[in-house]
Amino acid sequence: ETGVTQTPRHLVMGMTNKKSLKCEQHLGHNAMYWYKQSAKKPLELMFVYSLEERVENNSVPSRFSPECPNSSHLFLHLHTLQPEDSALYLCASSQEDYTGELFFGEGSRLTVL
Amino acid sequence: AQSVSQHNHHVILSEAASLELGCNYSYGGTVNLFWYVQYPGQHLQLLLKYFSGDPLVKGIKGFEAEFIKSKFSFNLRKPSVQWSDTAEYFCAVRSSNTGKLIFGQGTTLQVKP
Repeated sequence: ETGVTQTPRHLVMGMTNKKSLKCEQHLGHNAMYWYKQSAKKPLELMFVYSLEERVENNSVPSRFSPECPNSSHLFLHLHTLQPEDSALYLCASSQEDYTGELFFGEGSRLTVL
Repeated sequence: AQSVSQHNHHVILSEAASLELGCNYSYGGTVNLFWYVQYPGQHLQLLLKYFSGDPLVKGIKGFEAEFIKSKFSFNLRKPSVQWSDTAEYFCAVRSSNTGKLIFGQGTTLQVKP
């Protein structure tokens, strides 16, 4: 149990579908992150929210749309994805002090057909 | 641009063998350094971290890492591995300027019983 819960754990979607990934943290942290983990590649930072405001967007395609309604919840809305977007999407949280460790969820395995 | 390089992509060892995984980063400023581990089917979790002080850092499960500033390196070591150490290991570096946590591509460790 990490204190960071991601749902769903597995998702299969077609290229025209719209779906969302959800992340919830129970650690009292004030920063949340989305990372993409693809085989044999470094984890790619996608989005960072600090105090519910987006502070980082690493040139992620607009077919990925994040939402952070409060400091405990983070969503990743998915729309018209491509097969190359298939990956493990990891959510993490931390205290907003740029020194603390990140606590990760178990990830949502996304397959785009 | 800031980057992290892990030289070993796949390491296979027998139980009781010694382990050293290499990690080098490219950033000249003050950094915080991390090693994360991902056991099969589990979430990423912190093994150890370095912020300042003694460059030899001890983590959980008998792991340690040494920060060598002149070499921009933070290699992970364990004197005697166990079958349960089979996992993927990620080095990560966070710069004090940007606060971004950048990961290496990971090293898969397979320990044979």
